[in-house]
Amino acid sequence: NAGVTQTPKFQVLKTGQSMTLQCAQDMNHNSMYWYRQDPGMGLRLIYYSASEGTTDKGEVPNGYNVSRLNKREFSLRLESAAPSQTSVYFCASSAGLARGNEQFFGPGTRLTVL
Amino acid sequence: RKEVEQDPGPFNVPEGATVAFNCTYSNSASQSFFWYRQDCRKEPKLLMSVYSSGNEDGRFTAQLNRASQYISLLIRDSKLSDSATYLCVVIPIYNFNKFYFGSGTKLNVKP
Repeated sequence: NAGVTQTPKFQVLKTGQSMTLQCAQDMNHNSMYWYRQDPGMGLRLIYYSASEGTTDKGEVPNGYNVSRLNKREFSLRLESAAPSQTSVYFCASSAGLARGNEQFFGPGTRLTVL
Repeated sequence: RKEVEQDPGPFNVPEGATVAFNCTYSNSASQSFFWYRQDCRKEPKLLMSVYSSGNEDGRFTAQLNRASQYISLLIRDSKLSDSATYLCVVIPIYNFNKFYFGSGTKLNVKP
């Protein structure tokens, strides 16, 4: 099993460009998450999807949109990138409370917005 | 006020030392607690859950103090491989999908 995979690993954008970060998991988990990690800030939840077909805002949703394409895939879209969105983005998945609520993370996408 | 606060460190300790970190949380309605480990430029990975009665996993002991709203992590007989950043995670009772991460405590174990 690959676990949680993310593409791309690195990306450089210019201000105003758009892009979609892809995430997929092969663990049959219901819940999926997008986080950003900035120096000194810890991980902050952007959006999550508790099940296929549902999405909800986290702490810092402004400037982002998400799509839960199916049970496996959860994408994050930046419509008009800003320098403040320079960060490391992690996708995660979880089987929920029944399995101890452990989150499994992908390797991350390092995004720079110039 | 941040939901979860940690001393960023770094904690520099020799091999074999015992080291402890604390993490405070602001929401008294928090229900679940975890410690995650993050190696440099890698993804976080679950180290251990924190139960009300405390729990131990080998050299690692986690404890919860609800009255004072903090959790702790004790590492005994530190190894070089323990060098990492340790992230405290708190989940509120009203939404088990909302994980609040601390900014992490960096540990350097020296030979």
